[in-house]
Amino acid sequence: ETGVTQTPRHLVMGMTNKKSLKCEQHLGHNAMYWYKQSAKKPLELMFVYNFKEQTENNSVPSRFSPECPNSSHLFLHLHTLQPEDSALYLCASSQDQLAAGTQYFGPGTRLTVL
Amino acid sequence: AQSVTQPDIHITVSEGASLELRCNYSYGATPYLFWYVQSPGQGLQLLLKYFSGDTLVQGIKGFEAEFKRSQSSFNLRKPSVHWSDAAEYFCAVPNNNDMRFGAGTRLTVKP
Repeated sequence: ETGVTQTPRHLVMGMTNKKSLKCEQHLGHNAMYWYKQSAKKPLELMFVYNFKEQTENNSVPSRFSPECPNSSHLFLHLHTLQPEDSALYLCASSQDQLAAGTQYFGPGTRLTVL
Repeated sequence: AQSVTQPDIHITVSEGASLELRCNYSYGATPYLFWYVQSPGQGLQLLLKYFSGDTLVQGIKGFEAEFKRSQSSFNLRKPSVHWSDAAEYFCAVPNNNDMRFGAGTRLTVKP
């Protein structure tokens, strides 16, 4: 079982759809992250959860709604997205939210909003 | 806030040639520094990290990086590049409770 898995790997949705991205980590970590990776832009941190509690919301629009039911699972619920939200969404985990902690990344979900 | 800059957006090298990817950081004290690699269609994988001690750090896949405080740099090197090294490379530094990544350097390897 690989360390961090993400489903689906690809997603195409219309602006009025509701969909969810799923991330699961099998590393026993306590912190989980959502990043957005757009073409020609640095990785943007979106949300951080530490011990299931949200500790960072990096000014993300409310059409993105995270959920962390336990330390192993992280969801990103999507609703009424815009075409500029098309990107690669990466999930990561680390042992805890210490600044020096190494992050382990999933393969990402490639999202296209039509 | 701590940050890193990768001056080179795209680099092309021939297979077997040496490689150096540049990373400059901005932070007054000694930072923790990381290099990650992202192959097409994949997430990021840690190559190596520097916390303290020896300024020359060895990583996976034959990569190494050298921390130079005088130049505020943490450049990634490999003596002989393989075609499978073609990927995007990210330098990163922790900032408070998250990781700040550079814009990335895309490496193309010519046969």
